[in-house]
Amino acid sequence: GENVEQHPSTLSVQEGDSAVIKCTYSDSASNYFPWYKQELGKGPQLIIDIRSNVGEKKDQRIAVTLNKTAKHFSLHITETQPEDSAVYFCAASKRANNLFFGTGTRLTVIP
Amino acid sequence: GAGVSQSPSNKVTEKGKDVELRCDPISGHTALYWYRQSLGQGLEFLIYFQGNSAPDKSGLPSDRFSAERTGGSVSTLTIQRTQQEDSAVYLCASSSDRAEDTQYFGPGTRLTVL
Repeated sequence: GENVEQHPSTLSVQEGDSAVIKCTYSDSASNYFPWYKQELGKGPQLIIDIRSNVGEKKDQRIAVTLNKTAKHFSLHITETQPEDSAVYFCAASKRANNLFFGTGTRLTVIP
Repeated sequence: GAGVSQSPSNKVTEKGKDVELRCDPISGHTALYWYRQSLGQGLEFLIYFQGNSAPDKSGLPSDRFSAERTGGSVSTLTIQRTQQEDSAVYLCASSSDRAEDTQYFGPGTRLTVL
């Protein structure tokens, strides 16, 4: 099956700086890569996703890049704000209905 | 519109007791998933229902775990003879029947086994 690794496990940045979280996957057939944000006491919420027919996708301050050759994808958050503090999970799948998740990154944005 | 709901939000039980966790998916979603999230860990897939097809139970950790989905909507995850290692947050998600659709998560049930 798929194996997704996520780094770092914790990340602290100053407000306004950028944050980058990286994931690698093992199954070259995976073609769907969502990112979820989980705030304390809540379920994960999808923030952005990318499919294997594109290399980059951007939504305001959030962007995701995908390198299929190297089998890694990254989440980039620019101009971080305190409300970005949460746990972020990456996932990979051959189809959206069977996701394999990374172990999460706890992001802390320091005001 | 209404999202995925789960009940109870918190459950404390004694070792050896049975528990039932409930999930109400988004209306019209045919796919439903259960995951387990242990403290500081990622999401561990448990079971997947898609329409009237036989569920994918490949993630259930033991035969003490079972789930059913009645009428293609509400699902119940049952853990029999609970053990302390069952303590975790149990998350439910649903998606439409399109293969490319996104999974939407509920808030989870925090289970504590004493």
